[in-house]
Amino acid sequence: DAKTTQPTSMDCAEGRAANLPCNHSTISGNEYVYWYRQIHSQGPQYIIHGLKNNETNEMASLIITEDRKSSTLILPHATLRDTAVYYCIVRVVGITGGGNKLTFGTGTQLKVEL
Amino acid sequence: DGGITQSPKYLFRKEGQNVTLSCEQNLNHDAMYWYRQDPGQGLRLIYYSQIVNDFQKGDIAEGYSVSREKKESFPLTVTSAQKNPTAFYLCASSIRASGGPANTGELFFGEGSRLTVL
Repeated sequence: DAKTTQPTSMDCAEGRAANLPCNHSTISGNEYVYWYRQIHSQGPQYIIHGLKNNETNEMASLIITEDRKSSTLILPHATLRDTAVYYCIVRVVGITGGGNKLTFGTGTQLKVEL
Repeated sequence: DGGITQSPKYLFRKEGQNVTLSCEQNLNHDAMYWYRQDPGQGLRLIYYSQIVNDFQKGDIAEGYSVSREKKESFPLTVTSAQKNPTAFYLCASSIRASGGPANTGELFFGEGSRLTVL
C-alpha cells in the first residue's frame, strides 16, 4: 500500500471549515483513498473514501487532485466534537492476499476550538 | 443494533500471565482484525482472519495468538512471550475480503480494550 504524509496537527475554529491535507504521491491506479478518524480512547470511525472523483457524504467531502497524488478532507462546519486524530490511508480494495486490512500512520490531530 | 463488542474495556494483569481479549460481531462480516495502538502512535496490525478457521499474521504477531472457530468471534490472547503488552487493543471487522462491488473496504471498529501489565 502507498505511503501517506499528513501534518501532525491542525487547529480550526468552531463553525469554520476544516481542511485536512494528505499527500500520497506514490499512489497506484487501483488504490483508493480512505479517511478515518479516532476520538480519544475510542475505535476509529470510517468517514469517506474515493478513487478519483470527489466524494461527499453527510460527514465530509473528499477532494482528490487530478493526478491523484494528494487529497483533502473537508469538514464543512467543524464542531468541538470533531476534535480527533484523522487518518488518511490508501489501499487496494478487496485483494485476496490481504483482505481489507488497512495500514494506519500517525494521522493529523485536529483540534477544534471556540 | 449491529456492531462489534470488545471486552473487557480495561484489564490489568501481572507479568507472566496470559490474557484473552474478546471480540464479537453481529454484522455477519467474514473478515476480522486485531490492531494494537501505543500512546501517540498509529494502529499496527497483529492478526487478521478472512474466513472461519483461517487467520494470518499481521505486522506484529509475535507474542500473540488468535482463533476463529465461529464467524462472530475472534478472540486475541496476549501471551507471556509478548515483551511489551501494555497497549490499547482494537478489533475490527469487514465484509467479505475479496473482490465484488459490495466490498467498499470499510472497517468497523470496536471501542477497544486497554491492557495494563503491572
